[in-house]
Amino acid sequence: EPEVTQTPSHQVTQMGQEVILRCVPISNHLYFYWYRQILGQKVEFLVSFYNNEISEKSEIFDDQFSVERPDGSNFTLKIRSTKLEDSAMYFCASRPGPLLNEQFFGPGTRLTVL
Amino acid sequence: AQKVTQAQTEISVVEKEDVTLDCVYETRDTTYYLFWYKQPPSGELVFLIRRNSFDEQNEISGRYSWNFQKSTSSFNFTITASQVVDSAVYFCALSEAQGAGNMLTFGGGTRLMVKP
Repeated sequence: EPEVTQTPSHQVTQMGQEVILRCVPISNHLYFYWYRQILGQKVEFLVSFYNNEISEKSEIFDDQFSVERPDGSNFTLKIRSTKLEDSAMYFCASRPGPLLNEQFFGPGTRLTVL
Repeated sequence: AQKVTQAQTEISVVEKEDVTLDCVYETRDTTYYLFWYKQPPSGELVFLIRRNSFDEQNEISGRYSWNFQKSTSSFNFTITASQVVDSAVYFCALSEAQGAGNMLTFGGGTRLMVKP
């Protein structure tokens, strides 16, 4: 069964460094998302992406964040200058098409900022 | 703005007991979608169910059942004859149909511990 994949599973970085989190959505899905979950807290929406552009973003998704779909398969989240409070689990999700269907989540990348 | 509230932060039951996880939502949309996801200790988010706002029929899938009541803005989840493998954090989520991105708004989650 097709699934969303994310790499790496765990990323450790120093404060101020740039990180890129990678996702491969399910093939033929059209809508892509990033969410984050700070340890022990709820899952929070960051950004949605469709037709090669951001369709919606939350207040969390400030200028430090960017997303890209550099080729037909990868979907990346970049954090330019990481802060301690960026430490969280980052989930990528994809959705098939315009009729609202469930979002399928990847296994997550745990980001630890030291 | 949409909001999802899961008032029960933690529930502990003994195996074979039935347990109901509560979910209350707020939205201004007349068309919306409700979801339940399971997050086991391994951390991934596992989709369980989606319900459309115009379909109030309750659903049963094996030991799982869902009770959607529009009048009280609730979408509760019941596990019958709970098992240790049901131990996880369960999230209720809402998506408004009119939003450009159809983002999911999650509740705070309910941690379910099923003891043998």
